[in-house]
Amino acid sequence: GAVVSQHPSWVICKSGTSVKIECRSLDFQATTMFWYRQFPKQSLMLMATSNEGSKATYEQGVEKDKFLINHASLTLSTLTVTSAHPEDSSFYICSARGGGPTYEQYFGPGTRLTVT
Amino acid sequence: KQEVTQIPAALSVPEGENLVLNCSFTDSAIYNLQWFRQDPGKGLTSLLLIQSSQREQTSGRLNASLDKSSGRSTLYIAASQPGDSATYLCAVRRSSNDYKLSFGAGTTVTVRA
Repeated sequence: GAVVSQHPSWVICKSGTSVKIECRSLDFQATTMFWYRQFPKQSLMLMATSNEGSKATYEQGVEKDKFLINHASLTLSTLTVTSAHPEDSSFYICSARGGGPTYEQYFGPGTRLTVT
Repeated sequence: KQEVTQIPAALSVPEGENLVLNCSFTDSAIYNLQWFRQDPGKGLTSLLLIQSSQREQTSGRLNASLDKSSGRSTLYIAASQPGDSATYLCAVRRSSNDYKLSFGAGTTVTVRA
């Protein structure tokens, strides 16, 4: 149980375009979802926290107009990287938590974004 | 702000040797600490979670200890195998009503056959 999926697993896009990444909790209802960014050989950096039906809370230094987060249902959150640039190339990981046995965060497999 | 440090950054051992991975954190006021495994290009798999009131947790060949007062945790992996090769991350959670995790940069382990 407590499976989190991400789609796509990897994506290549051209500079200036937007790309959407989906995060789904497959077997539990996620009251909160988190979006992280990870550069090679570095730690995961929390970008934002989203609660179902409300606006996401962004960490300091994260541009909310560039990284649009929508948590429209208890099983789906999306991250849209708008007007992507090569410096946005990174590994994006989401996590989700619910209640009861899913009280802690469960992580998705990640999405590798490459902006050319 | 919580700072989490993992030393060493990389470790290479022959198969069968025991592994000792270290994690330190600057603010001892934590709710729990978690150890994760990350394979290349993959997400995170939770290995062990230690509540702040606990001193250690064990699962199979894995044992994690926590010394909250000194801001340290150690992950022991007994009788290492090539399949243990991965990056190991520790993360701390600050309080019961704050679900954010602060991560270390990880220790990349290579177990040589």
